[in-house]
Amino acid sequence: GAVVSQHPSWVICKSGTSVKIECRSLDFQATTMFWYRQFPKQSLMLMATSNEGSKATYEQGVEKDKFLINHASLTLSTLTVTSAHPEDSSFYICSAASNEQFFGPGTRLTVL
Amino acid sequence: KQEVTQIPAALSVPEGENLVLNCSFTDSAIYNLQWFRQDPGKGLTSLLLIQSSQREQTSGRLNASLDKSSGRSTLYIAASQPGDSATYLCAVPAGGGATNKLIFGTGTLLAVQP
Repeated sequence: GAVVSQHPSWVICKSGTSVKIECRSLDFQATTMFWYRQFPKQSLMLMATSNEGSKATYEQGVEKDKFLINHASLTLSTLTVTSAHPEDSSFYICSAASNEQFFGPGTRLTVL
Repeated sequence: KQEVTQIPAALSVPEGENLVLNCSFTDSAIYNLQWFRQDPGKGLTSLLLIQSSQREQTSGRLNASLDKSSGRSTLYIAASQPGDSATYLCAVPAGGGATNKLIFGTGTLLAVQP
């Protein structure tokens, strides 16, 4: 089956620093990748749609200058949380779409 | 705007029981509906995907049904086991295609007691 990886699986950083999360489709090409965020005991909420070679589309309420998305190739999308603050601590999950969506294992971000 | 809800929010059952999880969606014009399982602190595992033209899908002890007209789907788990304990999420694509962004339900936290 299709495999999507995320790196790192967890990260702890100080407030004010930037953190980059990678999402890779390992055995298929994905023109579209999605970034979701999940707070404790809540469901997944879509943050943005990442399209290869073009700008990402952000959901209402998501700051595009804070959550930078780059989709440079058909197998890689990155999410950079800039100037992270404790309220950005969350579980970030990506998915890659071919004929259906395949999800990565998630990245646990903790901002101290 | 599509909204997806799940009931119950939490469920605790003894091992061996059959159980049903419910998913409701407000816009019946869905392309498909997918059920996922999420273990604590982990990503999503896809369980079943039902196309809009289908009424149900089965995989092992799991059976998912879809009634588009009433905006409902159910996930039936037969002979539950402690290993089934997890959060179960249903999701539908926001638009008319399979690869559109997914809108997730609120989830059902299942605990199967040994």
